[in-house]
Amino acid sequence: GQSLEQPSEVTAVEGAIVQINCTYQTSGFYGLSWYQQHDGGAPTFLSYNALDGLEETGRFSSFLSRSDSYGYLLLQELQMKDSASYFCALSGTYKYIFGTGTRLKVLA
Amino acid sequence: DVKVTQSSRYLVKRTGEKVFLECVQDMDHENMFWYRQDPGLGLRLIYFSYDVKMKEKGDIPEGYSVSREKKERFSLILESASTNQTSMYLCASSIDDRGASPLHFGNGTRLTVT
Repeated sequence: GQSLEQPSEVTAVEGAIVQINCTYQTSGFYGLSWYQQHDGGAPTFLSYNALDGLEETGRFSSFLSRSDSYGYLLLQELQMKDSASYFCALSGTYKYIFGTGTRLKVLA
Repeated sequence: DVKVTQSSRYLVKRTGEKVFLECVQDMDHENMFWYRQDPGLGLRLIYFSYDVKMKEKGDIPEGYSVSREKKERFSLILESASTNQTSMYLCASSIDDRGASPLHFGNGTRLTVT
């Protein structure tokens, strides 16, 4: 089966850098995605890694290592608006399996 | 911009009722999905559809069924609602089947079964 583990909560201060980890156990997948969800809102897509390595999109970067069954989302120059839940997701054929989610609290 | 619209933001139903949750997308996406979201459990896939009239079970299909008569519309049906189906239900669509293109989510339907 497939399961993805994330820390339940991370706290950081404004302007800092924070890393949210995602470890998984699976027999195969196409890529690892990250989604952001503010309270009361819909999840929105942040990034996708099909290959091992780092993908950078503005203040956000995402990393994948298939050999270590591990990925992370890196948020730089944290802002108050980054306070939200973050989900990693593995994609297989027609299927996306989500992690349990990490609530990020950004403190002033 | 892709828009995924769920017909109700909040619903309250009684145990045993038949419940319909409707979802419409406006971008001609082939793939549509129904998830439920519960605290500490993340998003769990209930059913998905990759074409009109096609449907596949996800990880937690028990107690649910789906209907996709038109490409833009994907309905989730609770045949006989139970209290353990109280949850946030999220509909999503995507253009490809491998995750390279993002899932587009609706704003969710918070269902309470009493």
